[in-house]
Amino acid sequence: AQSVSQHNHHVILSEAASLELGCNYSYGGTVNLFWYVQYPGQHLQLLLKYFSGDPLVKGIKGFEAEFIKSKFSFNLRKPSVQWSDTAEYFCAVNSLRGADGLTFGKGTHLIIQP
Amino acid sequence: NAGVTQTPKFQVLKTGQSMTLQCAQDMNHEYMSWYRQDPGMGLRLIHYSVGAGITDQGEVPNGYNVSRSTTEDFPLRLLSAAPSQTSVYFCASSYRYSGNTIYFGEGSWLTVV
Repeated sequence: AQSVSQHNHHVILSEAASLELGCNYSYGGTVNLFWYVQYPGQHLQLLLKYFSGDPLVKGIKGFEAEFIKSKFSFNLRKPSVQWSDTAEYFCAVNSLRGADGLTFGKGTHLIIQP
Repeated sequence: NAGVTQTPKFQVLKTGQSMTLQCAQDMNHEYMSWYRQDPGMGLRLIHYSVGAGITDQGEVPNGYNVSRSTTEDFPLRLLSAAPSQTSVYFCASSYRYSGNTIYFGEGSWLTVV
């Protein structure tokens, strides 16, 4: 069975600081990788995804992630965060077969202080 | 284009009551699924369907039933509600089950008292 580990459950940063959220997964085969964001009181929105090709993926709102296959990692980065980035961030994977749905990490609650 | 629509958005149930959470998508997606979100647990898969007439269990299926009689609809039934089922429920869909973005509904907040 696949699993996803997010390194930090709570992160507090000041505006303009750089962000890196860690995500490691465990699965023996080929996977698709996702980062979702959930703003307070809202549903999940896709930030970015990796299926194949260039391991550096750019998403919405200035976010990017790098897939490092040898480390089973898919860390999320943003060079300069804004107060509006305060949200819950979820890393998720599904297998290439994919029928068993997404496996989510437990989430990282990011708070940006003005 | 409505996307993934869930109803109701909020519901309070008494222990032992049954209810159905509705989910509909208008994108002709083959794959649909239900997740529950609990604090500190992320989202966990309850049931999923890869097409009309086909359903399967996810990580936490106990206490829930699903059916998929049409491509568009994927209702989730709570047979006898328990306080442990207090959660936020998300329905999701995608064109195929792999290699495609999965879209989420806005969530259904369920409280069982």
